[in-house]
Amino acid sequence: DAKTTQPPSMDCAEGRAANLPCNHSTISGNEYVYWYRQIHSQGPQYIIHGLKNNETNEMASLIITEDRKSSTLILPHATLRDTAVYYCIVRARGEGAQKLVFGQGTRLTINP
Amino acid sequence: GAGVSQTPSNKVTEKGKYVELRCDPISGHTALYWYRQSLGQGPEFLIYFQGTGAADDSGLPNDRFFAVRPEGSVSTLKIQRTERGDSAVYLCASSSRRSTDTQYFGPGTRLTVL
Repeated sequence: DAKTTQPPSMDCAEGRAANLPCNHSTISGNEYVYWYRQIHSQGPQYIIHGLKNNETNEMASLIITEDRKSSTLILPHATLRDTAVYYCIVRARGEGAQKLVFGQGTRLTINP
Repeated sequence: GAGVSQTPSNKVTEKGKYVELRCDPISGHTALYWYRQSLGQGPEFLIYFQGTGAADDSGLPNDRFFAVRPEGSVSTLKIQRTERGDSAVYLCASSSRRSTDTQYFGPGTRLTVL
């Protein structure tokens, strides 16, 4: 699976949009971009995933660049409960692609 | 519906003892995964089950670690002769139909080896 690079930490004001970047310059054509977050002392929580089109759900939006070498997770109106470590993971589909490979993630702090 | 559950939530044991950690996946999920998370690190893959069989155990650190899923639902991670370095949060995840589907995680079991 391709490696991802994320900033170690970010801050965002409550009520503002939080934009979390991720670089995955070695991504392959069959690899998806997944985002998880982990709130302190909890298991990772699935947020969203995409292949090449932008995706949106009730939690967040995922913007993937046209060359697919980077992406941005957007939390449109951040709240204090969004404070967590956010992991960007690249994962292929198909047999032999089961495990998730987590990096260090981005520690996002939402400030009141 | 109910998510992935793990028991116990916390386990304290002494060096050299045997421990079992349990995972109840989401009902109907055929794929089950175990991960381990050390302090300050992201989760690391241990083993993956498709049904009753271990399809990939490449992440198990050594032969003291073993996992089973005899009926294709509940799984137990077993650690023999525990060492202080085994202290970590052990996470379980499950996914539906195929291994490529989204994995949903449980809250984890915090293991402390004294």
